[in-house]
Amino acid sequence: GNSVTQMEGPVTLSEEAFLTINCTYTATGYPSLFWYVQYPGEGLQLLLKATKADDKGSNKGFEATYRKETTSFHLEKGSVQVSDSAVYFCALRQNSGYALNFGKGTSLLVTP
Amino acid sequence: NAGVTQTPKFRILKIGQSMTLQCTQDMNHNYMYWYRQDPGMGLKLIYYSVGAGITDKGEVPNGYNVSRSTTEDFPLRLELAAPSQTSVYFCASSSRSDNSPLHFGNGTRLTVT
Repeated sequence: GNSVTQMEGPVTLSEEAFLTINCTYTATGYPSLFWYVQYPGEGLQLLLKATKADDKGSNKGFEATYRKETTSFHLEKGSVQVSDSAVYFCALRQNSGYALNFGKGTSLLVTP
Repeated sequence: NAGVTQTPKFRILKIGQSMTLQCTQDMNHNYMYWYRQDPGMGLKLIYYSVGAGITDKGEVPNGYNVSRSTTEDFPLRLELAAPSQTSVYFCASSSRSDNSPLHFGNGTRLTVT
């Protein structure tokens, strides 16, 4: 079946550090891939997405590239801010389905 | 835009009690979903609906029921609450598209004691 594996957290970084959160997936065919962010006390919000191989999703300085050869969709940001502290979820949608399969989430804490 | 609205925000139930978690969306989305979020476990799909009058089971449906009488509303029913149902519940909706994102409510934190 479909599954998403994320690196375990928590990840603690200093402000302006480089961020990478690893995400790999298992799926048949060509799923769509997503990163969601959850701030404390809130629901999940879409951060970025990619729908086919080699697509790069980007938003708010975050980027992720859909790598079919390595079945990966790693999230990166060149310079994190304190306001980026949140939980980040990688997710996939099988093309024939509607719901998303989520990873377990990675907590990020950025300190001043 | 209100988006996806969930009520209540918090609830404490005793074992064996029942309750309904309410979810409504004002985006005219056909697809709606219920997820539960447990610490360190990500989100698990409970039930989903592709339109009014149509519902289907997700990954963890046992102990829950849903209905979808209108496009806007998708309530989740717990009939006999158990401690294993202590969780944060999220409702979400999306439009009719394989690439459309899910829009989430702010969640209901439920404790069963």
